[in-house]
Amino acid sequence: GAGVSQSPSNKVTEKGKDVELRCDPISGHTALYWYRQSLGQGLEFLIYFQGNSAPDKSGLPSDRFSAERTGGSVSTLTIQRTQQEDSAVYLCASSSGTAKANYGYTFGSGTRLTVV
Amino acid sequence: SQQGEEDPQALSIQEGENATMNCSYKTSINNLQWYRQNSGRGLVHLILIRSNEREKHSGRLRVTLDTSKKSSSLLITASRAADTASYFCATDAYSGAGSYQLTFGKGTKLSVIP
Repeated sequence: GAGVSQSPSNKVTEKGKDVELRCDPISGHTALYWYRQSLGQGLEFLIYFQGNSAPDKSGLPSDRFSAERTGGSVSTLTIQRTQQEDSAVYLCASSSGTAKANYGYTFGSGTRLTVV
Repeated sequence: SQQGEEDPQALSIQEGENATMNCSYKTSINNLQWYRQNSGRGLVHLILIRSNEREKHSGRLRVTLDTSKKSSSLLITASRAADTASYFCATDAYSGAGSYQLTFGKGTKLSVIP
């Protein structure tokens, strides 16, 4: 597609429920990233996929968070047993090549998650 | 982990004035990037400067990089009300296990008053 698409754009869920957030990157982009942004804060790195390599999961805050990328394209971020502190905007970005190739990232519009 | 830290946290200027935002970071980088964010949603990539570059221009944007001081600045000339947004610097660096990571600062909130 023309840009990075994320869905849903807004999600309100009850504490303890599981949620799935979807990211559809730019076609042909091999790198995909998930970030989280709490109100008024910077972006917190969550996970990075690069081609067929094992993902860099070093930013996932707990084992309630997981992500997968099927067929090197669409990615799903899953949060199990949501907590109120999970409330944030979840941003996905894609990039062509590796970061070392010096390409900027293209971000989606994000999913605003509210846990009540 | 290393992080870009922007300064100031907030900046308010009159339309037509120049806006300067600074960024400092802690360790060696591959490149440094500046992004803009409107209304707390998606970020837009503005400009990327490689570690072996010292200055770069794009339209009304001028970015400098001083790797000896581990700092960068973003200058927006002849600002417009439409430039009102949050601006983030992000450092791209090797994070181990063959992975590069882009680490963001907390941003500078720029307000341009018409």
